[in-house]
Amino acid sequence: DIQLTQSPSFLSASVGDRVTITCRASQGISNYLAWYQQKPGKAPKLLIYIASTLQSGVPSRFSGSGSGTEFSLTISDLQPEDSATYYCQYLNSYPLTFGGGTKVEIK
Amino acid sequence: QGQLVDSGGGVVQPGRSLRLSCAASGFSFSNYGMHWVRQAPGKGLEWVAVISYEGRLKFYADSVKGRFTISRDNSRNTLYLQMDSLTVEDAAVYYCAKEGMAMAGPNYFDYWGQGTPVTVSS
Repeated sequence: DIQLTQSPSFLSASVGDRVTITCRASQGISNYLAWYQQKPGKAPKLLIYIASTLQSGVPSRFSGSGSGTEFSLTISDLQPEDSATYYCQYLNSYPLTFGGGTKVEIK
Repeated sequence: QGQLVDSGGGVVQPGRSLRLSCAASGFSFSNYGMHWVRQAPGKGLEWVAVISYEGRLKFYADSVKGRFTISRDNSRNTLYLQMDSLTVEDAAVYYCAKEGMAMAGPNYFDYWGQGTPVTVSS
């Protein structure tokens, strides 16, 4: 099974900052990765798929990059509404594992 | 435009069964693979099971294999999860999720239900 390790597990940043979350795969997974945002008490929301494709309706300050074993989600110009937990997900074969999550706090 | 509504959660004793449902609308349900994902209190997301668009292929997480059964009724636009022999480790919010690409292999989830909570307690 593919294991996904996210770092950091928690970060605190100010409005307007640029933040980057990393997701490392236990073996090469090409670009078969998605990113989700989850706010407390809500279902996850798709942000990015196939590593770098922005889901329709998602603000352009969100971007994804990477391939193989190392991926990143970048939020440029952090906004108050971006306070949430972010998860990466492996896409190509079962089980479709998730990373452990990164909680983003706005200072 | 798609919408998924989860239901069927509740409080159940260890060893008992529960069936979850997910009602779909706003898209061609029979064209998409469907999944169940769960989240234990204060924990991360755990993929549980998938069923292919026509219902022929099913895969499960090792943690539920042999106890949970995923199924679908394309005539009713409804997804199900039959959960048997429940344990305290199965307590979680259960979400159904729709694949983003039609009639494809494993792929991302573009719509999620609101979640239905399952509590396993004696």
